Amino acid sequence: IAGITQAPTSQILAAGRRMTLRCTQDMRHNAMYWYRQDLGLGLRLIHYSNTAGTTGKGEVPDGYSVSRANTDDFPLTLASAVPSQTSVYFCASSDGHSGANVLTFGAGSRLTVL
Amino acid sequence: GQNIDQPTEMTATEGAIVQINCTYQTSGFNGLFWYQQHAGEAPTFLSYNVLDGLEEKGRFSSFLSRSKGYSYLLLKELQMKDSASYLCAVRDSNYQLIWGAGTKLIIKP
Repeated sequence: IAGITQAPTSQILAAGRRMTLRCTQDMRHNAMYWYRQDLGLGLRLIHYSNTAGTTGKGEVPDGYSVSRANTDDFPLTLASAVPSQTSVYFCASSDGHSGANVLTFGAGSRLTVL
Repeated sequence: GQNIDQPTEMTATEGAIVQINCTYQTSGFNGLFWYQQHAGEAPTFLSYNVLDGLEEKGRFSSFLSRSKGYSYLLLKELQMKDSASYLCAVRDSNYQLIWGAGTKLIIKP
């Protein structure tokens, strides 16, 4: 089934540890995104990539890094996790060409930093 | 600053009609989106409006007034499976999506 796969589904992490959230899509979409979703707030963009080999900062990039070595994969790394990074993380993609540029989301990764 | 406002929570009865409003103040406008998100799941696309007026798609319709910075999502013949959060998002002049916090819709039998 075409779509986006995220891993892990959930993770409890000690503060100060390094963590990488994985995201893979099989739709050959050009653009990919990482969002975090917190209670009472709208989705907030962390980083994005318009095409393989390029990345950009979103609204809340501090403490996070991404890479886009190929079209399919877009991992998000927390270099040294802090409790404020406890959140649900969604990876998304879009083809970047249609007028609507609709996002397809992964199932999410629930991260708890203690 | 940029802002999207929508009610936090709404309750409706199965079989009825509900209207979820969204008002926005953004730097430019390049389209408005509605997504549905069931608890614990990913958001899924419902509708897209870029011109004023009503877009109908089955039981769901979305309306846009750009001059008023206003949209609504209309759900007809409500079913229990419509219990979810409904997210309004606006694409600004930089083609970045600004998201509202979502409206949790509770459907009662």
